[in-house]
Amino acid sequence: QVQLQESGPGLLRPSQTLSLTCTVSGGSISRGSYFWSWVRQPAGKGLEWIGRVFISGDTNYNPSLKSRLTMSVDTSKNQFSLQLTSVTAADTAVYYCARESVAVAGLDLWGQGTLVTVSS
Amino acid sequence: DIQMTQSPSSVSASVGDRVTITCRASQGITTWLSWYQQRPGKAPKLLIYEASNLQSGVPSRFSGSGSGTDFTLTISSLQPEDFATYYCQQADSSPFTFGPGTRVDMK
Repeated sequence: QVQLQESGPGLLRPSQTLSLTCTVSGGSISRGSYFWSWVRQPAGKGLEWIGRVFISGDTNYNPSLKSRLTMSVDTSKNQFSLQLTSVTAADTAVYYCARESVAVAGLDLWGQGTLVTVSS
Repeated sequence: DIQMTQSPSSVSASVGDRVTITCRASQGITTWLSWYQQRPGKAPKLLIYEASNLQSGVPSRFSGSGSGTDFTLTISSLQPEDFATYYCQQADSSPFTFGPGTRVDMK
């Protein structure tokens, strides 16, 4: 079955750029009608929707992050990615990649999450 | 942005209890609402989409209802594995905001 796995650095310094990749296994990222999404969760807090990218490259970003955010899809590697520039301690969180089916209109498949800590 | 609220913020219940969680949107979202369950240390899991549709593989004790601005998630008979935090999320317009969550713990 299809699975998602996040990868990226666990520790960043303030002002650096966060780059995360989500690898899709067990199926093609190009098959079907899906949005590929990112959600984050600071420790002990709720979920924050970051944004999503469609296979065409179309994106929707959270306005609170839009000026620092870039999402893309690499079909040759069956991956999608997130870049967040100028990180601060407020960006410390568990970052999840997830799949949203156009048919279901919900995030029906999630990665296990990866902890990103921003600290000097 | 559409703001989502949930009540209660936490509820204590026993196995076999009926549990109801409410989610309210700051503006009408027709039925573009999802519910998720998150156990400690785990990724969220989709339970309900489009307000009342049960996601494949989710037990039938979970149900959702509502439209417009007011929505409800009901667990008809709480099971031990249901002690978790539940989030609603609106899927009407970007950014697709989540509610703050409702923790269901053991009485």
